[in-house]
Amino acid sequence: TQLLEQSPQFLSIQEGENLTVYCNSSSVFSSLQWYRQEPGEGPVLLVTVVTGGEVKKLKRLTFQFGDARKDSSLHITAAQPGDTGLYLCAGVFAGQNFVFGPGTRLSVLP
Amino acid sequence: KAGVTQTPRYLIKTRGQQVTLSCSPISGHRSVSWYQQTPGQGLQFLFEYFSETQRNKGNFPGRFSGRQFSNSRSEMNVSTLELGDSALYLCASSLSRAGQETQYFGPGTRLLVL
Repeated sequence: TQLLEQSPQFLSIQEGENLTVYCNSSSVFSSLQWYRQEPGEGPVLLVTVVTGGEVKKLKRLTFQFGDARKDSSLHITAAQPGDTGLYLCAGVFAGQNFVFGPGTRLSVLP
Repeated sequence: KAGVTQTPRYLIKTRGQQVTLSCSPISGHRSVSWYQQTPGQGLQFLFEYFSETQRNKGNFPGRFSGRQFSNSRSEMNVSTLELGDSALYLCASSLSRAGQETQYFGPGTRLLVL
């Protein structure tokens, strides 16, 4: 069974601060996705990374895929209250269905 | 394009009852996957349907079943409900195989079992 770990589990920061959350596995991903989920809604896809070492930017969000494709990070610059939510990573292993991590619950205080 | 829709949005049942949840995928999407989300276990994969066939199944008991119709709409059924079945049930659609394509999630059905 492939497991995904995410850290930290909870994060509460002030508006304007920077933060990084992590997603790790002992297995190699075929691809990895990051989602954000807000209360009462389904997860919304933020990015898909496929190539080891890949870096993608989405406005103030920077996503990095580890060289060995076993880990990924999400860095948010100058966090805003609108960034509040549950950040989920989901990995695909050897063409199988997605396995989701437990999530990082981020709270950005004004 | 309309997004993924799920009905009903909220449901209250009692132990022992059964429930059917419905999911309408994005037009043109042929794959529908179902997930259970709970605070303790997170998001767990239930099953995936593609062209009316179940393609993958997660580690859930046989009380959880599903089906997909020719128009790609999908239903999920849970029989003999238990308190632990209380959860947010999410469906996600994709163009083809869920592991190879972007998944788009619906808003979920929140089930409370009393």
